[in-house]
Amino acid sequence: EDKVVQSPLSLVVHEGDTVTLNCSYEVTNFRSLLWYKQEKKAPTFLFMLTSSGIEKKSGRLSSILDKKELFSILNITATQTGDSAVYLCALPLTTNAGGTSYGKLTFGQGTILTVHP
Amino acid sequence: GAVVSQHPSRVICKSGTSVKIECRSLDFQATTMFWYRQFPKKSLMLMATSNEGSKATYEQGVEKDKFLINHASLTLSTLTVTSAHPEDSSFYICSAREEWGNSAYEQYFGPGTRLTVT
Repeated sequence: EDKVVQSPLSLVVHEGDTVTLNCSYEVTNFRSLLWYKQEKKAPTFLFMLTSSGIEKKSGRLSSILDKKELFSILNITATQTGDSAVYLCALPLTTNAGGTSYGKLTFGQGTILTVHP
Repeated sequence: GAVVSQHPSRVICKSGTSVKIECRSLDFQATTMFWYRQFPKKSLMLMATSNEGSKATYEQGVEKDKFLINHASLTLSTLTVTSAHPEDSSFYICSAREEWGNSAYEQYFGPGTRLTVT
């Protein structure tokens, strides 16, 4: 069964700190790994990772994938209070028939990040 | 980026009534849309996959007669919660799939609908 596990489940830091969020996975047929940020409404897309070892960067956020060890990390440097959110990791599901369904995502439990001023 | 809208954003209804939630892809065509629900402080749970022009595929444990899904066009999917009960109160989120290349894809999420059943 496909599985996505995030850690830690919650994290409290102060502004300026650097945080590292983890996502480990077990999927039958890996296609990609997605990171989302969710505040009060629906998730917003951050990164899509398909290749191992290539860092994706967007401002203070960066992410990298390790397909050998089956995990990804999301780094946030110089955190700000606006970074407070739930960060979700997701991977496409494999159908029961053994084919690949590109659409269905398995989400991890999420990491609740709280950044205090 | 692609935009997905949901309507209404918030609805309060009485127990026993039905509620329809719309999900629209605004600037792209979506042959596949997904419906999720999310309980407080929990992750998203996929309810069903909505396919344009065909029946939706429901996840295990989701009652298809209770959560009616219609994907009548390439830009619109609707979720109707029939005979709603207080335990149906939740945050319902739709997403639409945009696909490119051979193996890459992305889902765009709607803003969500907060349903409260009294």
